[in-house]
Amino acid sequence: GNSVTQMEGPVTLSEEAFLTINCTYTATGYPSLFWYVQYPGEGLQLLLKATKADDKGSNKGFEATYRKETTSFHLEKGSVQVSDSAVYFCALSDRVTGRRALTFGSGTRLQVQP
Amino acid sequence: DGGITQSPKYLFRKEGQNVTLSCEQNLNHDAMYWYRQDPGQGLRLIYYSQIVNDFQKGDIAEGYSVSREKKESFPLTVTSAQKNPTAFYLCASSIEAVYGYTFGSGTRLTVV
Repeated sequence: GNSVTQMEGPVTLSEEAFLTINCTYTATGYPSLFWYVQYPGEGLQLLLKATKADDKGSNKGFEATYRKETTSFHLEKGSVQVSDSAVYFCALSDRVTGRRALTFGSGTRLQVQP
Repeated sequence: DGGITQSPKYLFRKEGQNVTLSCEQNLNHDAMYWYRQDPGQGLRLIYYSQIVNDFQKGDIAEGYSVSREKKESFPLTVTSAQKNPTAFYLCASSIEAVYGYTFGSGTRLTVV
């Protein structure tokens, strides 16, 4: 079945540091890939997405590139801010299987210190 | 503004009681979903529905039930058969999963 693996957290960075959160996936077909962000006590918000190989999703300074050859979708940001502190989830939706719902990774908590 | 509303935000239940969590959307989305989130863990799929009057079990459906009588509404009942119901419950909707979800703000259920 489908699965998503994220690096374990927490990831602790100083403000203006470079961020990478690793995400790899296993899927039957050619999935769409997503990054969601969750702030404390809230639901998830879509951060960015990519629907085919080599697509780059970007939003609010965050980027992720759909790498089919390495089955990866790593999240990056060049300079993090304290306000980026949150939990980040990688997810996929596979068009091939009968399961028409997103599969999520376990989440990675990011803590940015001033 | 369109959106998805979950209520209540906090819910307390005594052991042995059933409780229903509300989820309403005005986005005209066909599909709706329920996930459970436990501290420090990812989201696990409970049930989902692609169209009115139809729904499918997810990975952890035991102890839960749903209905989809209207396109806008997808309530989740946590029954007394659910052994460990204390968790954060998230509802979502979409045109179709491949396009991504819109999430509600969640309901935190505590069994007392």
